[in-house]
Formats: sequence, C-alpha cells, structure tokens
Amino acid sequence: KQEVTQIPAALSVPEGENLVLNCSFTDSAIYNLQWFRQDPGKGLTSLLLIQSSQREQTSGRLNASLDKSSGRSTLYIAASQPGDSATYLCAPNSGYSTLTFGKGTMLLVSP
Amino acid sequence: DAMVIQNPRYQVTQFGKPVTLSCSQTLNHNVMYWYQQKSSQAPKLLFHYYDKDFNNEADTPDNFQSRRPNTSFCFLDIRSPGLGDAAMYLCATSSAGTGSADTQYFGPGTRLTVL
Repeated sequence: KQEVTQIPAALSVPEGENLVLNCSFTDSAIYNLQWFRQDPGKGLTSLLLIQSSQREQTSGRLNASLDKSSGRSTLYIAASQPGDSATYLCAPNSGYSTLTFGKGTMLLVSP
Repeated sequence: DAMVIQNPRYQVTQFGKPVTLSCSQTLNHNVMYWYQQKSSQAPKLLFHYYDKDFNNEADTPDNFQSRRPNTSFCFLDIRSPGLGDAAMYLCATSSAGTGSADTQYFGPGTRLTVL
C-alpha cells in the first residue's frame, strides 16, 4: 500500500524567498506524480504532473523534480508571493489512475 | 468555463437521512472519481468509474454508493450519514488511457455537515 509523507507540515516565509517542499512515497512503482494546490475550504488545483520517465517539470515559478527510484519528489517555488499561500499536496499515481495523497504542506507567505 | 462542477457546494443533513451529492463535467473525460477529505487530512479515494466500470476501494464503507448515468454526470449517495461522514467530498475527472498526461481535474467540492 502506497504511503506518502510531506515535509514540512507547515512553512512560513517572507515574500520573495525561494522554497522547497518535499514529498516521499514508499512504492516507487508509479506511473506519474501530481502536485496540487488547495486553498482553504476549496477544491484542488493541479499544478504539475511528472511522468515516471521524467526528471523535472516546470510551470512558471514552479519546478517539480522526481527521483522515482528513491521515492522522492520536490516542488520548488521561486520568488514566493503572498498569493502562493495555500496547502500543497503531492500524489503519486500507482496505477489505474488512482492517486494517493500526502497530508500536504501548509504554506504561508507574508508580505 | 467551469470544467468540473459540484452541487451543492454546502449540504446539511440530519443523522441517518439519505443525501445525494452531484458532479458534472464538461471535459468529456472517461474517468470520474469521488474523494473524501476530512479536516486537516489527505483526500481519500472512495471509488471511481472507468467509463461505466465501477471500482470500489476496499475500505470504502457500504454506506457510500455511486451512480454514473452518463459520461457527464456522477452521483455520490450516502444512505445513512453518520457524524463521522461530515467532510469535504471532492469529485475529479481524468482522461486516463487515452495517451494524455493523466492529469486529474478537481471540482470545488461539497462540504457536508451532519447534524
């Protein structure tokens, strides 16, 4: 059974800092891994999807990396802004399109 | 241009009174999912439809049922809600198996309160 851990659980930074969110998973036999953003009381917004054959995926200020063999992924956020404040969730896909979610990292970016 | 729509956004029901949550999509995706997310916890998959094929997770209680009458709509039925079923219910879709990126797209969720 896939288990996903996200570290740190919470993070508070001043605006402009670069930051890294970590995700580890126990079963490396994944098809892809997706990073999501969740604002309080809202649904999930997909940020990036990395296929198992990829090492990195970039979208604007976001860069996600995947080391499948070691069961790790990181989400790098450059030049953080207050609007980035949200909970970030990672979810590896172990097959049949079913995702297993971590509990997320709650990010607060202060002006 | 909403792609995954959930109704209602907030639902209040009484203990034991059946409730139905609705999800519709304009993406023509072949897979639809229902997740349960309790406060400060990770979303947990309840079941999913791959086209018309229903796939129930092993630990999903029998109290939870689902219907998918057509490609666009999927319903979550809770037959006898208990206090422990109060949660955010998230619907998602993907176009799995079509060579696309398998990205899952989520709706805004329905917040269920059980009194």
